[in-house]
Amino acid sequence: EIVLTQSPGTLSLSPGERATLSCRASQSVSSTYLAWYQQKPGQAPRLLIYGASSRATGIPDRFSGSGSGTDFTLTISRLEPEDFAVYYCQQYWTFGQGTKVEIK
Amino acid sequence: EVQLLESGGGLVQPGGSLRLSCAASGFTFSSYAMSWVRQAPGKGLDWVSSISGSGGNSYHADSVKGRFTISRDNSKDTLYLQMNSLRAEDTALYYCARGGYGGYFDSWGQGTLVTVSS
Repeated sequence: EIVLTQSPGTLSLSPGERATLSCRASQSVSSTYLAWYQQKPGQAPRLLIYGASSRATGIPDRFSGSGSGTDFTLTISRLEPEDFAVYYCQQYWTFGQGTKVEIK
Repeated sequence: EVQLLESGGGLVQPGGSLRLSCAASGFTFSSYAMSWVRQAPGKGLDWVSSISGSGGNSYHADSVKGRFTISRDNSKDTLYLQMNSLRAEDTALYYCARGGYGGYFDSWGQGTLVTVSS
């Protein structure tokens, strides 16, 4: 069973700063099936990135995904106030434990 | 616009049963795999079950295997989750999601809350 480990657990940043979130898999995984989601309090998750680097419909281009093998990254180039949320990576049936991006 | 509307959650005693429903609209339901994903209070996302577009194939997490059954009625554009022998650890918000079956989930409902408690 693949385990996805996200780091850091919490990221404290200011609006306008760059956010870099990591997702590490316990074994090599196909980039085709690596996705990222955003979840705000009281809301359902929203698909941001699929196939490791493809943005979902309507997702701003400040969100980008990269990586392969066991190491994947979600980057938010310049944080907007609405980007403060919890982010999850997912591959097949497994989700990472999440990274909370909070306002510093 | 894709819409997924869950229903059927509630308070149930340990050992009890519930059936969740998810009414889909805005897309050709039978063309998509569908899934249930849950989230315990204050915790992360946890995949529960997935079913193919035709309904011919389904998968369940080990934690629910033998207790939960996913199904669908493509004539009614509705997804179901039959939950039996419920345990306290099944307490969660249950989301209906389009996709899964090994791939990503591109649309989500707002969830229905299941609370297992005596």
